[in-house]
Formats: sequence, structure tokens, C-alpha cells
Amino acid sequence: GENVEQHPSTLSVQEGDSAVIKCTYSDSASNYFPWYKQELGKRPQLIIDIRSNVGEKKDQRIAVTLNKTAKHFSLHITETQPEDSAVYFCAAPGGSNYKLTFGKGTLLTVNP
Amino acid sequence: NAGVTQTPKFQVLKTGQSMTLQCAQDMNHEYMSWYRQDPGMGLRLIHYSVGAGITDQGEVPNGYNVSRSTTEDFPLRLLSAAPSQTSVYFCASSPDRGRTEQYFGPGTRLTVT
Repeated sequence: GENVEQHPSTLSVQEGDSAVIKCTYSDSASNYFPWYKQELGKRPQLIIDIRSNVGEKKDQRIAVTLNKTAKHFSLHITETQPEDSAVYFCAAPGGSNYKLTFGKGTLLTVNP
Repeated sequence: NAGVTQTPKFQVLKTGQSMTLQCAQDMNHEYMSWYRQDPGMGLRLIHYSVGAGITDQGEVPNGYNVSRSTTEDFPLRLLSAAPSQTSVYFCASSPDRGRTEQYFGPGTRLTVT
């Protein structure tokens, strides 16, 4: 099955700085890479996703990059704000159509 | 639309007891899944369903049963609760298998003593 590694496990930045979270995956058949944000006590919510036919996708302050050769993808948050503080999860489906494997999460803290 | 709903929000069980966690969605999604979330472990797939009458195992299925008699409902049954099943459980649904946005329910926090 798919194996997803996520780094770092914790990340602390100053407000206005950028934050980068990286994930690697093992199954070359993976072709869909979502990122979820989970605020304390809340449910995970999709913030951005990318499919394997593109290398980068942006949505305002958030971007995701994908390197299929190296089997890694990254979440970039620019101009961080305190409300960006949360746990972020990456995921990949592997060769299965149904089984999404999640990384272990990154706790991002944005200090005012 | 209510989206994905789960009941109960909190539950305390004694070892050996059984119970059912309820999950329902009103978005007519074919794909539904159950995850458990433990500190430092991310979200791990327990069981999933690709439509009414069709279920399959995920990464950590032992000790849990599911059924899918309707498109809307996907209950998770704990047969004989163990302390290792203390966790937060999330139900999710998506319109097309696992390769589109998954909509999560609010979660059920379960403690087994």
C-alpha cells in the first residue's frame, strides 16, 4: 500500500513569514494529492489539492508543488496569519481508487 | 444541506461493551469512509464503502464492523470495546471514490475504560 511521510511534525513561524510542509509518497501510481487543515477540536477540511498532470497550483496565499520524479509534494503558505495555526495533513491514494493514506500531520503555530 | 453528521459527539464505554457510531450524509455521495485519529498518528482508514451494499476494509479494520444499507447511512460498530479503541472517529463522504474532496463529519470522541 501507499506510505506517506510528512515533515516537519511541528513548525513555528512569525506572523508574515512563509511556511513549508513537505510530504513524500511511495506508490508511483498516486495521482491525486490533497492537503487538509484541521483546527483544534474541529474536523479536517480540504484547503487545496493537485493532480499529477500539473506541477504547481496556487490559491491566494496557499500553493502546492508536486515533483512526481522524486515522489514528493509540498504545501507553501505565504504571509502567514495567526488563523493559519492548525494541523495540516497531506494524503495520497496510491494505486487504489479508494484508500487515501494520510501523513501524520504538521502542527503549524503562527506567532503574532 | 446538513452535510455529514455523526452521533454521538462523546461516548464513554467500559471494556467489552459494544456500540454503534452513527454517520449520515445528505449529499447523495456514493463513497463513505471511517477514520480514527490518534495523537501523532494522523488519520487512519478503518472501513470504506463505494455504494449501498458494498464495503471493504481499510488500514485498521480489526474490532470494527460496517454496513451500508442506504446511500445516506454508514454506521460503525464496535463489537467488544477495548482501551486501544480510545480515539476520535471521523466519518467522511465524497462524490467520487477517494480522489476528490472528502467531506468530514464533526467527529465522535470515544473513551474506553
